[in-house]
Amino acid sequence: AQSVTQLGSHVSVSEGALVLLRCNYSSSVPPYLFWYVQYPNQGLQLLLKYTTGATLVKGINGFEAEFKKSETSFHLTKPSAHMSDAAEYFCAVTSGTASKLTFGTGTRLQVTL
Amino acid sequence: DADVTQTPRNRITKTGKRIMLECSQTKGHDRMYWYRQDPGLGLRLIYYSFDVKDINKGEISDGYSVSRQAQAKFSLSLESAIPNQTALYFCATSDVGGGRNNEQFFGPGTRLTVL
Repeated sequence: AQSVTQLGSHVSVSEGALVLLRCNYSSSVPPYLFWYVQYPNQGLQLLLKYTTGATLVKGINGFEAEFKKSETSFHLTKPSAHMSDAAEYFCAVTSGTASKLTFGTGTRLQVTL
Repeated sequence: DADVTQTPRNRITKTGKRIMLECSQTKGHDRMYWYRQDPGLGLRLIYYSFDVKDINKGEISDGYSVSRQAQAKFSLSLESAIPNQTALYFCATSDVGGGRNNEQFFGPGTRLTVL
């Protein structure tokens, strides 16, 4: 079985500060990992994904994540937060061969002036 | 036009009523999914379908049923709605190719309130 743990249901940063959203996974097989973003009153949009190859993955809007197998982590970072980054972020991992996603509980990012 | 659409976007209903949520997609994908989102719980899979003849239960299928009317349409029904089914419901699609690394594309969601 697959599982995802997102540490911190709410994270608040100042505009221009580093964004770090934490994700740890559990998987009995090599995982494929995803970060999705949900803006208010919208569906989920893919930010980035790790499949194979390079462990540092770059996504949209300046976000990136690094797959660390030894730490079973896939933390999301952005060097400088912008007000428009305020949203809820979900980490997800695939399950088996069915392309089913198992989601974390989400982290709501607040960006303050 | 949006690739994945859901109707209605908002619905208020009463306990015991039957309700159907509809999802349509123009992406040409074979795989479709229904999730529910609850605060603090993330998204949980209700049902998924790999093609018109292939329907599978997800982790929380009790109290729900689905119908895959065509490749592009996947409906979720609550036969007798209850208040704890109040949630935000999302439909998603993915392509059959590429295996486990497929991205899923989400609709805008349906906010359902059961009184």
